Amino acid sequence: DADVTQTPRNRITKTGKRIMLECSQTKGHDRMYWYRQDPGLGLQLIYYSFDVKDINKGEISDGYSVSRQAQAKFSLSLESAIPNQTALYFCATSDRTGRLQYFGPGTRLTVL
Amino acid sequence: AQSVTQLDSQVPVFEEAPVELRCNYSSSVSVYLFWYVQYPNQGLQLLLKYLSGSTLVKGINGFEAEFNKSQTSFHLRKPSVHISDTAEYFCAVKTEAGGTSYGKLTFGQGTILTVHP
Repeated sequence: DADVTQTPRNRITKTGKRIMLECSQTKGHDRMYWYRQDPGLGLQLIYYSFDVKDINKGEISDGYSVSRQAQAKFSLSLESAIPNQTALYFCATSDRTGRLQYFGPGTRLTVL
Repeated sequence: AQSVTQLDSQVPVFEEAPVELRCNYSSSVSVYLFWYVQYPNQGLQLLLKYLSGSTLVKGINGFEAEFNKSQTSFHLRKPSVHISDTAEYFCAVKTEAGGTSYGKLTFGQGTILTVHP
């Protein structure tokens, strides 16, 4: 079984809809991250969490919110989706050293 | 602030030929270096990492990379590529966290390697 899972794997939605992307991990890591990938831009950090009570904005947090429901679960929400949020979204985890991040399989989101 | 530049956005190569994917970084502090691979329609997989020690790092699938501190480079190489190596490759740099600061992982723009028969 995969250590980091993301649901859904693919989602098509309309402008203005609220969307939640979920991430779960079985690695026992404290730290979790959300990235988005756009062609030619690599990965950009949206939010990160060092533990359940510690959530921080990344480079591109506008238009997004997160919830750390438990050590193993970290959700990303788009309150009102817009077309330029169409992207591939990755969740990642790391231990407390933060030296190595493990990535989930990604969620491909399309906003029409 | 650190940054990562992958010098080639696309690299076409024939099967069994050698390949080098170039990566340069800038940082004012010590870094950890990574190469990730993304196969078509799949997630990110760690190919290799440099944390400390020998500057020549060997990874999976026959890839290796050399950390050159003076040139701030971490180029990825493979002596003979296969069709199955066709993928997008990302170089990434991470600084050590200090105090309450987050040791950010910064990605390059990606290099698409296409191996032709």
